[in-house]
Amino acid sequence: DAGVIQSPRHEVTEMGQEVTLRCKPISGHDYLFWYRQTMMRGLELLIYFNNNVPIDDSGMPEDRFSAKMPNASFSTLKIQPSEPRDSAVYFCASSLSPTGYNEQFFGPGTRLTVL
Amino acid sequence: KNEVEQSPQNLTAQEGEFITINCSYSVGISALHWLQQHPGGGIVSLFMLSSGKKKHGRLIATINIQEKHSSLHITASHPRDSAVYICAALGDKLIFGTGTRLQVFP
Repeated sequence: DAGVIQSPRHEVTEMGQEVTLRCKPISGHDYLFWYRQTMMRGLELLIYFNNNVPIDDSGMPEDRFSAKMPNASFSTLKIQPSEPRDSAVYFCASSLSPTGYNEQFFGPGTRLTVL
Repeated sequence: KNEVEQSPQNLTAQEGEFITINCSYSVGISALHWLQQHPGGGIVSLFMLSSGKKKHGRLIATINIQEKHSSLHITASHPRDSAVYICAALGDKLIFGTGTRLQVFP
């Protein structure tokens, strides 16, 4: 298996533009997590899905952020409109376990820079 | 005060030394997660534990629920262990510590 795949790996955009980050989890995994990492705030859980259904989105910073999982093999995290403070590395992770948090497999991350 | 605190923030060691990284939390949790972030940025999940001890190779994680404390130990440390180690407490929400940066020199 190729592991968790994220695209793009790097994204540079201007303030106000829409940004879409993509994630393909490991086949068969039924949990998918979106994280954000910044120097100031460290790692933060934004949202997670179980069987394509959003379970906890309390970490989503504001309405500009939205996440979808239309099927078991694909998820998107969208920021519209983007702001410079959204600059961060966004990680996607997937797992297979009853609790969902055991042994998550992380993608390589997408480094987002909003100018 | 952060709900999850790690110590030390930075740690240097000589190859072969025994390493201990600490994680204390102030919230009620169901489990605690240890992660390793490599210098290139990649993240690996090391352990998820809710009681007692877990061991994987040279890594050992322990947790004391009553004292709200967990430790990550590395035996016979090696330069390839150099990374940032992050603990995360799973309660009502997942709260991350700020990480411990470990450098092991040959």
